[in-house]
Amino acid sequence: GESVGLHLPTLSVQEGDNSIINCAYSNSASDYFIWYKQESGKGPQFIIDIRSNMDKRQGQRVTVLLNKTVKHLSLQIAATQPGDSAVYFCAETAYNFNKFYFGSGTKLNVKP
Amino acid sequence: EAEVAQSPRYKITEKSQAVAFWCDPISGHATLYWYRQILGQGPELLVQFQDESVVDDSQLPKDRFSAERLKGVDSTLKIQPAELGDSAMYLCASSFLGDSPLHFGNGTRLTVT
Repeated sequence: GESVGLHLPTLSVQEGDNSIINCAYSNSASDYFIWYKQESGKGPQFIIDIRSNMDKRQGQRVTVLLNKTVKHLSLQIAATQPGDSAVYFCAETAYNFNKFYFGSGTKLNVKP
Repeated sequence: EAEVAQSPRYKITEKSQAVAFWCDPISGHATLYWYRQILGQGPELLVQFQDESVVDDSQLPKDRFSAERLKGVDSTLKIQPAELGDSAMYLCASSFLGDSPLHFGNGTRLTVT
């Protein structure tokens, strides 16, 4: 079946630095991708999404990059803050399937 | 901002007992999902509804799990009998269209003793 995975289970960064969280996916038919942030005891919260007809999308302090050639997705967080500490998941789906697959997550620790 | 409502937030039950979780999606969202999340892992889909119809329950352990969305609005997920391995966070999500973002509730944390 489809596989979405992350390279680094834990990432520690200094407050103010930029963070990069990576995600690999295996289904070349996937055409819609989402990054979620999950704080302890809460449900995943939507951060940013990107469709396969784009390779970059920016939000407030966040940027998602999509490389379809190598099936790789990344989330960049600028000027990381303590409130960014959480687990980050990527999710992917193919339009015809309407089913989202989630990776195992990366825990981001922001050191003050 | 509209939210997905779930209850209860926490549930402790003994194995072999029955448990039920409730979800009220964002108004107007036709697609509703139940996910199970084991600590330290990503959410895994259990069942997906489009309005009142199940469109995917391939990962739902049907010998003990059941889900319904009778009027195409709120939904109930039931486990009977509960087993120790069912301890997890049960997340409900909804979306307007199949390929639009999922909006999650804060889940029900189930502990089976």
